[in-house]
Amino acid sequence: DSGVTQTPKHLITATGQRVTLRCSPRSGDLSVYWYQQSLDQGLQFLIQYYNGEERAKGNILERFSAQQFPDLHSELNLSSLELGDSALYFCASSFGQTRGGYGYTFGSGTRLTVV
Amino acid sequence: GENVEQHPSTLSVQEGDSAVIKCTYSDSASNYFPWYKQELGKRPQLIIDIRSNVGEKKDQRIAVTLNKTAKHFSLHITETQPEDSAVYFCAASTPGYSTLTFGKGTMLLVSP
Repeated sequence: DSGVTQTPKHLITATGQRVTLRCSPRSGDLSVYWYQQSLDQGLQFLIQYYNGEERAKGNILERFSAQQFPDLHSELNLSSLELGDSALYFCASSFGQTRGGYGYTFGSGTRLTVV
Repeated sequence: GENVEQHPSTLSVQEGDSAVIKCTYSDSASNYFPWYKQELGKRPQLIIDIRSNVGEKKDQRIAVTLNKTAKHFSLHITETQPEDSAVYFCAASTPGYSTLTFGKGTMLLVSP
């Protein structure tokens, strides 16, 4: 157990639907990162939150949004789902925000299948 | 933004051989370079990292080297074992940002 908890582990939904992925960071970590992993795309950065505030955005679609709550857990919302959104979504956490140089701890991921 | 290139995409070796995976980065300000191992169906796990003020770091059979001038860093695995088979990702981050930019990964296959 890495200490980063992601739920659910698997999600199957239809096109056009909306889903919410949840992540609880490792105790003491203030930053949460969301990554999308497709078969041929490696680990694509979506968004980062630090202590409740959005800090960096990657290639996140407008149909996707995220937030980090006061207890530091984070949710990634995916709406108007398309077949191409099927992927493994990882949450990771780290202590730092601006100093850089911190390794991430990844959760076990949520496998999303859009049918 | 930072761009990380990783080679090769696939690497097959015999058990006991050495394996080398290379990465290049674009932002000369990058100062932190971790490597992650991802086994099939599992989460990426940090196996070793190096900072820009160090040229080499070793941890048992794993070593990482950094050439700041050439902006490249490499992962070296010696005496490979079948359990080393996995996808390995390199990454880089710059001061002021804790976001990691990952390479596309190398699938390492170690045959008994």
